[in-house]
Amino acid sequence: EPEVTQTPSHQVTQMGQEVILRCVPISNHLYFYWYRQILGQKVEFLVSFYNNEISEKSEIFDDQFSVERPDGSNFTLKIRSTKLEDSAMYFCASSTQTSLSTDTQYFGPGTRLTVL
Amino acid sequence: AQSVTQLGSHVSVSEGALVLLRCNYSSSVPPYLFWYVQYPNQGLQLLLKYTTGATLVKGINGFEAEFKKSETSFHLTKPSAHMSDAAEYFCAVSVAAGNKLTFGGGTRVLVKP
Repeated sequence: EPEVTQTPSHQVTQMGQEVILRCVPISNHLYFYWYRQILGQKVEFLVSFYNNEISEKSEIFDDQFSVERPDGSNFTLKIRSTKLEDSAMYFCASSTQTSLSTDTQYFGPGTRLTVL
Repeated sequence: AQSVTQLGSHVSVSEGALVLLRCNYSSSVPPYLFWYVQYPNQGLQLLLKYTTGATLVKGINGFEAEFKKSETSFHLTKPSAHMSDAAEYFCAVSVAAGNKLTFGGGTRVLVKP
């Protein structure tokens, strides 16, 4: 069964450093998403991406964040200058061309980011 | 804006007993509703979803949920808990196909032998 994959599974970085989290969505999917879950808190939406552009972003997704689909298979989340409060589990998700009855987001296993 | 409330952050059930996880939502438009499960060290896996049509939705692993518009609820049930059901369960709402998911806080289920 096709699945969303994410690398790395764990990332430890120093405050102020740039990190890139990588995701490989399911191959025929067209919508891509990033969510994050700070320990003990809700899963929160960050950004959605369709047709090579951001379709929606949350207030969390400020200028420190960016997304890219560099090569038609990978989908990346970049944090330019990490802060302590960026420590969280980051989930990538993808979904097919949407219709009223087949909109399911498939999630990857997550990348745990720790900012020291 | 939509929101989801899950009553009870932790639920403990005996093996073979009914599992009932509560979810209430708020949405200004007809919602799409989802239940996801997260096993330890894994991603979120879809259990079931409601988009339109029949309000009683059956999912994987014997789970089902009923959409009750009048109560703005989408509670998840399973008649008989199994040890393998120990996990965290998330209710989520979306207001359109392809739109973001808004999650509840999650309910961690512990199954006692």
